[in-house]
Amino acid sequence: GAVVSQHPSRVICKSGTSVKIECRSLDFQATTMFWYRQFPKQSLMLMATSNEGSKATYEQGVEKDKFLINHASLTLSTLTVTSAHPEDSSFYICSARVPYSNQPQHFGDGTRLSIL
Amino acid sequence: KQEVTQIPAALSVPEGENLVLNCSFTDSAIYNLQWFRQDPGKGLTSLLLIQSSQREQTSGRLNASLDKSSGRSTLYIAASQPGDSATYLCAPAYNNNDMRFGAGTRLTVKP
Repeated sequence: GAVVSQHPSRVICKSGTSVKIECRSLDFQATTMFWYRQFPKQSLMLMATSNEGSKATYEQGVEKDKFLINHASLTLSTLTVTSAHPEDSSFYICSARVPYSNQPQHFGDGTRLSIL
Repeated sequence: KQEVTQIPAALSVPEGENLVLNCSFTDSAIYNLQWFRQDPGKGLTSLLLIQSSQREQTSGRLNASLDKSSGRSTLYIAASQPGDSATYLCAPAYNNNDMRFGAGTRLTVKP
């Protein structure tokens, strides 16, 4: 079964709306979670690394004020796309890693965001 | 810059064929490498994980090889089936956290 749950799976909203996406680790505590974005027929691009109890680390070119990340507990990270515009429409995927292990990252099912 | 290239970008084969998907990466100092499957509009399903010290991993009809020194990995699919149709992604990791993804190979297996 899924070890990382992502919600919602699809969002359609008007331009200017802020959208929150949740990523939960279901049966382990994740001190680190990752947020990726994927445009059609392109590869996944890492946006930021979410660290429990501290600020997220953003990749170059990703706007911190645009993509707010909160990792307030060991099982939940949220990504908020603030004042979303059509160019923010994309597929957003989160992942989490079991700490202190060699296990690979576990990925959520993704969120399809469409801004009208 | 750590780049990942997957060839071919798309592949269409009749059912039953054996096929090879290729992945190359510019920085060979990898921690491990994973192959994923992605169905349209869906998340990622991990297929195989190869540690940097390993040369290959097998799972059912899938076999992945790794040549770290030359920056290459291949995914071999035996006796392909229509249910194998999906996009296959290669992702070397440069530590246990930093994964880089190729653009994928879009596979169609025709019945």
